[in-house]
Amino acid sequence: KQEVTQIPAALSVPEGENLVLNCSFTDSAIYNLQWFRQDPGKGLTSLLLIQSSQREQTSGRLNASLDKSSGRSTLYIAASQPGDSATYLCGTSYDKVIFGPGTSLSVIP
Amino acid sequence: SAVISQKPSRDICQRGTSLTIQCQVDSQVTMMFWYRQQPGQSLTLIATANQGSEATYESGFVIDKFPISRPNLTFSTLTVSNMSPEDSSIYLCSVRYGDTQYFGPGTRLTVL
Repeated sequence: KQEVTQIPAALSVPEGENLVLNCSFTDSAIYNLQWFRQDPGKGLTSLLLIQSSQREQTSGRLNASLDKSSGRSTLYIAASQPGDSATYLCGTSYDKVIFGPGTSLSVIP
Repeated sequence: SAVISQKPSRDICQRGTSLTIQCQVDSQVTMMFWYRQQPGQSLTLIATANQGSEATYESGFVIDKFPISRPNLTFSTLTVSNMSPEDSSIYLCSVRYGDTQYFGPGTRLTVL
């Protein structure tokens, strides 16, 4: 049974800092891994999708990496902004998406 | 991409009643998923709904409590039956379109 964990559970940083969010999973038999953003009381927005055959994906200030053999993914956010404040969820996909508990990010102006 | 809408966006219901949540997708998709997000928690999959077959429920979720309909490739409903305060959550509809998972805006349910 796939289990997904995320570290840290919460993170508070000053504006402009670079930061890394971590995601770990127990079963490497995944189809892909997605990073999502969730604003309070809202649905999920897909940020990046990494196929199981890929090592990383980039979109603007976001870079996500995937190491299937070690069961790890990281989301790197460069030059953080207050608008980045949200909960970030990773989800592994095979026949369904299994989510981690999320990292609550607060970027202080 | 796929755009998903849900109705209602929120509701406050009395204990013992039922609520049906609708999910509409702007593209035809084979698989639709229903998730629950309890307060302060991550998302938990309730069931997978394929058109033309019965929904597949995850451990801890049963059809009598969460009946699902999937009449066509763009629409699904989830009913939360005989509600109790423990059912207060955000319920999200999701689809896989291509390789990407998309989510609706969610239905925020409060049970008094």
